[in-house]
Amino acid sequence: KAGVTQTPRYLIKTRGQQVTLSCSPISGHRSVSWYQQTPGQGLQFLFEYFSETQRNKGNFPGRFSGRQFSNSRSEMNVSTLELGDSALYLCASSPDPNSPLHFGNGTRLTVT
Amino acid sequence: TQLLEQSPQFLSIQEGENLTVYCNSSSVFSSLQWYRQEPGEGPVLLVTVVTGGEVKKLKRLTFQFGDARKDSSLHITAAQPGDTGLYLCAGLTGGFKTIFGAGTRLFVKA
Repeated sequence: KAGVTQTPRYLIKTRGQQVTLSCSPISGHRSVSWYQQTPGQGLQFLFEYFSETQRNKGNFPGRFSGRQFSNSRSEMNVSTLELGDSALYLCASSPDPNSPLHFGNGTRLTVT
Repeated sequence: TQLLEQSPQFLSIQEGENLTVYCNSSSVFSSLQWYRQEPGEGPVLLVTVVTGGEVKKLKRLTFQFGDARKDSSLHITAAQPGDTGLYLCAGLTGGFKTIFGAGTRLFVKA
């Protein structure tokens, strides 16, 4: 069974630009969560989707948004990038809300 | 707000030594998970503990869930360089959200 796939692996953007990150969950997993990981803050929860519905959102500005498609694939978008958005963005999937998370290897975003 | 506090934040030890990592919270969790993350990769699940007082063993790793389900510990016996990595504890909240501790970065020297 293929794992969680995140694309792209690396991304370099300039302040003010926007970016879209993609996540393909493990087949059969309907819950997808996104996290931002930085050395200073650790893993911070961004949002969780289940069957195309956002069920929870973390404490991030409205510049961070996401969506989930009918095939459970998910995207997250960050608009008007700031230097502080530089981080590793991790996507995780699980078959149901009470199961542990299966992570992808992340997208490393650098904002210059 | 539910928080998970991990200690120590950083640990550098010699091969063959034993170590314990702690994960504490003021909140009760229905379960806690431990993950390990290596550079350039996402966290990988090591274990889930569910029952208060539960002890699980994974080769040289021993995981314990506190009786009150507010804390957990990870003990590694005879650490090896391959154990090097970032160890994260995590707990599922009631709102479809898993929260993570800040992590313990372990470095085992040969």
